[in-house]
Amino acid sequence: SAVISQKPSRDICQRGTSLTIQCQVDSQVTMMFWYRQQPGQSLTLIATANQGSEATYESGFVIDKFPISRPNLTFSTLTVSNMSPEDSSIYLCSVAQGAADTQYFGPGTRLTVL
Amino acid sequence: SQQGEEDPQALSIQEGENATMNCSYKTSINNLQWYRQNSGRGLVHLILIRSNEREKHSGRLRVTLDTSKKSSSLLITASRAADTASYFCATDARNNNAGNMLTFGGGTRLMVKP
Repeated sequence: SAVISQKPSRDICQRGTSLTIQCQVDSQVTMMFWYRQQPGQSLTLIATANQGSEATYESGFVIDKFPISRPNLTFSTLTVSNMSPEDSSIYLCSVAQGAADTQYFGPGTRLTVL
Repeated sequence: SQQGEEDPQALSIQEGENATMNCSYKTSINNLQWYRQNSGRGLVHLILIRSNEREKHSGRLRVTLDTSKKSSSLLITASRAADTASYFCATDARNNNAGNMLTFGGGTRLMVKP
């Protein structure tokens, strides 16, 4: 399975600021995803990070709020923009080699917005 | 809305007992995956079961899938205190355009008392 790292592991941010989260994989992967897990809740898919093109966002998530980059097959970033306390969550990236294959998750980034 | 629903939401057992968690979903799937999450950390992949499989084993874990009932169960035998965690099922819906987009159930919080 792929080894996935995320930076930062946690952060405390002020309202109105932005935070960029990095996801690094130790091997080239076809698919990368970003999920949000609000306190005490399950995971919700934010978007699919597409290499070389714009990310595909799920209903309720927009590019202005969650811009995503994926410059190559091993790296992606998620930015949480203009943060509010409601953005306090764990943000997780995941990877898969193909459709219907096992999806592996990074360790997550715990974000607290004051 | 979430594809999967899990029950129970919380389960408390004694070490050595078996733990059974159930997951139901709504649409046709390619596969169903079970994950474990320890105290707000990243997700650990446990088992993937494909739509044409009925049962899979991995160590003390046994997963069943009944596509006619759109349900799955995860059995942990001879539980240990270290099994204390939240357990999530996630489905990869058939024919979704994103390919491999996972939809998560609400999770079961398992506590194993020593």
